[in-house]
Amino acid sequence: GENVEQHPSTLSVQEGDSAVIKCTYSDSASNYFPWYKQELGKRPQLIIDIRSNVGEKKDQRIAVTLNKTAKHFSLHITETQPEDSAVYFCAAPLSGSARQLTFGSGTQLTVLP
Amino acid sequence: EAQVTQNPRYLITVTGKKLTVTCSQNMNHEYMSWYRQDPGLGLRQIYYSMNVEVTDKGDVPEGYKVSRKEKRNFPLILESPSPNQTSLYFCASSSRTLNTGELFFGEGSRLTVL
Repeated sequence: GENVEQHPSTLSVQEGDSAVIKCTYSDSASNYFPWYKQELGKRPQLIIDIRSNVGEKKDQRIAVTLNKTAKHFSLHITETQPEDSAVYFCAAPLSGSARQLTFGSGTQLTVLP
Repeated sequence: EAQVTQNPRYLITVTGKKLTVTCSQNMNHEYMSWYRQDPGLGLRQIYYSMNVEVTDKGDVPEGYKVSRKEKRNFPLILESPSPNQTSLYFCASSSRTLNTGELFFGEGSRLTVL
């Protein structure tokens, strides 16, 4: 069925290093790809999103890249800081469905001081 | 302040005792949805609503009911809770007219069914 696969499930990096989280989707008609960050005990919140008419979008230390041909998109965090430690979820819409977003299973990112 | 409000935030109940988790948003959003979050499974959609009196099943609707009688409210009903419904529940809303796609989540409701 249509789904969103996210890897890795856990990721540990040293402070200052970069982190990359990847997601693949199955529906070629998907056109909107958001990333949500969930800090411990908090609600998920949108941090960045990209639409299918662009290949990359940046916002300070975070960026998202999209490869529509391969049907995958990635979150890049540079110069990681302890406050980046959280669970990150990717998501994509299901074509022809009113359900809007299907979420990946999440990546627990730990930034080690 | 724009927000999605869920109640209760924490609840411990017993098998079979009906309960309702309320969700209210003050952003005039058309779309509302319920998710459950379980370790390793991410956010799975239970039910969603495109507008008043319009609801539909998500990925894991079994054992749940919803209603959308008013635009701002979208309660989640567990008629006969079972231990496998122990989970963290999130309500979310978004505007379909603005087409931004951003989902605004409530703070979550942690439910334990004994």
